[in-house]
Amino acid sequence: RKEVEQDPGPFNVPEGATVAFNCTYSNSASQSFFWYRQDCRKEPKLLMSVYSSGNEDGRFTAQLNRASQYISLLIRDSKLSDSATYLCVLGAGTASKLTFGTGTRLQVTL
Amino acid sequence: NAGVTQTPKFQVLKTGQSMTLQCAQDMNHEYMSWYRQDPGMGLRLIHYSVGAGITDQGEVPNGYNVSRSTTEDFPLRLLSAAPSQTSVYFCAIRGGKAGYTFGSGTRLTVV
Repeated sequence: RKEVEQDPGPFNVPEGATVAFNCTYSNSASQSFFWYRQDCRKEPKLLMSVYSSGNEDGRFTAQLNRASQYISLLIRDSKLSDSATYLCVLGAGTASKLTFGTGTRLQVTL
Repeated sequence: NAGVTQTPKFQVLKTGQSMTLQCAQDMNHEYMSWYRQDPGMGLRLIHYSVGAGITDQGEVPNGYNVSRSTTEDFPLRLLSAAPSQTSVYFCAIRGGKAGYTFGSGTRLTVV
């Protein structure tokens, strides 16, 4: 079983739609959780950290469920510019080494 | 790219050749790391460093060497390139609220 599992997609949604991605992880010792965004042929960029209480940043909401070992990302009112691959990322250990999921591709269309 | 500079952006090598991928940062962060990204796989950690003079292996270190003589630089060396090392390589630093900041990547092809 992979340490971090994501549905690769693609998720094709119209502009204005709400879309949700889930990510499951197997390492219960994971201490930090993130969503990164990666545009085609570009480097990953931090979208948001994920906290146990859930957190929101504009149109983006992230949730963490430690008991079930999954995190989620909700995007409301999708924009064309949201088209990208979204990476679920976990941190663990004293060096906070990151473990990456393979990503979920989102394509927002007119 | 927020203080992380990777060179070169593209490189084609012949099997058996050696080369060094450069990573430099001007943010004075202690933690630097190298990842590779392959189709259908998440980014995988090659080597990392928690400060000058200190390096350690990640998940896929074979075929790669690193050193950290200064805080600013963390070069990745391929001593004898193999086709299996064809990949996109990212250098990343860690610090502050931005979490990890990645360089723009090096696309390496080994033929």
